[in-house]
Amino acid sequence: GDSVTQMEGPVTLSEEAFLTINCTYTATGYPSLFWYVQYPGEGLQLLLKATKADDKGSNKGFEATYRKETTSFHLEKGSVQVSDSAVYFCALTTFGNEKLTFGTGTRLTIIP
Amino acid sequence: EAEVAQSPRYKITEKSQAVAFWCDPISGHATLYWYRQILGQGPELLVQFQDESVVDDSQLPKDRFSAERLKGVDSTLKIQPAELGDSAMYLCASSAWVNTEAFFGQGTRLTVV
Repeated sequence: GDSVTQMEGPVTLSEEAFLTINCTYTATGYPSLFWYVQYPGEGLQLLLKATKADDKGSNKGFEATYRKETTSFHLEKGSVQVSDSAVYFCALTTFGNEKLTFGTGTRLTIIP
Repeated sequence: EAEVAQSPRYKITEKSQAVAFWCDPISGHATLYWYRQILGQGPELLVQFQDESVVDDSQLPKDRFSAERLKGVDSTLKIQPAELGDSAMYLCASSAWVNTEAFFGQGTRLTVV
């Protein structure tokens, strides 16, 4: 079946540090890949997505590139802010099966 | 901005009692999902509706859980009887059609005591 493996957390960084959260996947079909973010007390929000190999999704300074050869979709940001503190989930869907399969989430805390 | 509405936000119930959650998707969204998120884990799909029809309930514990989406609009998820292990966040999401972005509600946090 489909699965997503995420970098274990929690992750604590200083403001303006570089962020990488690793994500790898296995999928029975050709997946679309997503990063969702969950701020404290809120629901999940789509952060970015990529639907085919070598696509780069980007939003709010975050980026992730769909790497089919390494089955990865790592999340990066060049300079994090305190407001980026949240839980980040990597997820996938496959064509014909649009349910989201999530990783376990990575809690990110940014300290001033 | 259109949102997925869920209620209640928080629910505490005693084990063996019945509990129900309600979800109102974004207007016009044909697909509705219920996910369960256990603390420290990612959400897992319980049931997926396309309009009023169930298209995937393979992970729904049908001995105690039920879900309906009458008229293909809002939806109710019920647990009867609740067990301690049901304590979790229950998330509702909707999307306009297949392979389109899913929008999530704020969730209902259930605590079974």
